[in-house]
Amino acid sequence: DQQVKQNSPSLSVQEGRISILNCDYTNSMFDYFLWYKKYPAEGPTFLISISSIKDKNEDGRFTVFLNKSAKHLSLHIVPSQPGDSAVYFCAASWGGYQKVTFGTGTKLQVIP
Amino acid sequence: GAGVSQSPSNKVTEKGKDVELRCDPISGHTALYWYRQSLGQGLEFLIYFQGNSAPDKSGLPSDRFSAERTGGSVSTLTIQRTQQEDSAVYLCASSSDRGPYNEQFFGPGTRLTVL
Repeated sequence: DQQVKQNSPSLSVQEGRISILNCDYTNSMFDYFLWYKKYPAEGPTFLISISSIKDKNEDGRFTVFLNKSAKHLSLHIVPSQPGDSAVYFCAASWGGYQKVTFGTGTKLQVIP
Repeated sequence: GAGVSQSPSNKVTEKGKDVELRCDPISGHTALYWYRQSLGQGLEFLIYFQGNSAPDKSGLPSDRFSAERTGGSVSTLTIQRTQQEDSAVYLCASSSDRGPYNEQFFGPGTRLTVL
């Protein structure tokens, strides 16, 4: 049972344009959502997060949007840069519990 | 400071052999996690240690998998009688316990290949 889903395995975007990565979840108990970024041969690194009490969180070029009614969140990267090319994982947690459930990842390629 | 380290970085073994994977978390982090990523798959949760509490083993795929954490620090993931489907990158992460949701810091992973 995949509770966190990233339905697009890959995405290609031109440098300077917006990258939008999507994530859907099924567990209505989730109240905290995170995005991690992973380069090849490295472990994932935390990128940005959002609590369910918010619908938007912004950090520089990265913005995460949360639509609780649709059980959907998205990560916007603008402007996209070649260094953003990586696999992006969506993750979710609930109740202050440290365990998070990860999605399957979306591989982003930013074309110079 | 030092991040999460894992050893070995690569491990090739024959089917049926046992393997041990090691994780050194960030000093002072009370929570430690093991995940695995199979080819083309996402991060699959395996086990979670939090302080002195009983570990959450709900993600271990079979009884061939076990993990321990000694002295609240170093952790070892053991896979007995390895099978080819165990081939994956095994990732360890740690986090502090300050606040309800804490960033997990990942190690570089151990790539396990079972021939």
